[in-house]
Amino acid sequence: AQSVTQPDIHITVSEGASLELRCNYSYGATPYLFWYVQSPGQGLQLLLKYFSGDTLVQGIKGFEAEFKRSQSSFNLRKPSVHWSDAAEYFCAVGNSGGYQKVTFGTGTKLQVIP
Amino acid sequence: GAVVSQHPSRVICKSGTSVKIECRSLDFQATTMFWYRQFPKQSLMLMATSNEGSKATYEQGVEKDKFLINHASLTLSTLTVTSAHPEDSSFYICSAPYRGDIQYFGAGTRLSVL
Repeated sequence: AQSVTQPDIHITVSEGASLELRCNYSYGATPYLFWYVQSPGQGLQLLLKYFSGDTLVQGIKGFEAEFKRSQSSFNLRKPSVHWSDAAEYFCAVGNSGGYQKVTFGTGTKLQVIP
Repeated sequence: GAVVSQHPSRVICKSGTSVKIECRSLDFQATTMFWYRQFPKQSLMLMATSNEGSKATYEQGVEKDKFLINHASLTLSTLTVTSAHPEDSSFYICSAPYRGDIQYFGAGTRLSVL
């Protein structure tokens, strides 16, 4: 069965600092990997996805993520965090092919301080 | 991009009443939609897969008679929480796959049962 682990429940960074959110996955084949962001009381917005090809994926809002098969990781990064980035971030894995069932990690809540 | 609309965004009801939540794909057809539930400070848990024209597929532990799903058209799936009780209070989110590989999410419905 597919699973996702986000080891950090809560992270606090200063505005302008760099950010890395960790994600480890478990999946038997080549995974479909996603990062979603959820603002308070809101639905989920897709930041970026990885299906195949270049292992460094660029997303919206200046985010990027790197797929590392050897480490079963898909960490999310941003070089300079803005106060508006404060939200909850979910890493997710989907089964390849067809309509996907997506399994989410438990989320990392990002707090940005001035 | 693809848009998924979910209505209502918030509902408060008395214990014992039923509540219907609608999920619509606005600019694409979705023969499959997914319903998730999110408890406070937790991740999204898949409840069921809604299939247009056929019965929904429920995840283990989800009561079929409690959470009725109807996928009546290619753009609409409904989730009815029957005889709601306070423990059903939660954040419910639907999603629909666009072009088979990316889930687009509704904004969610916050259900509060008094």
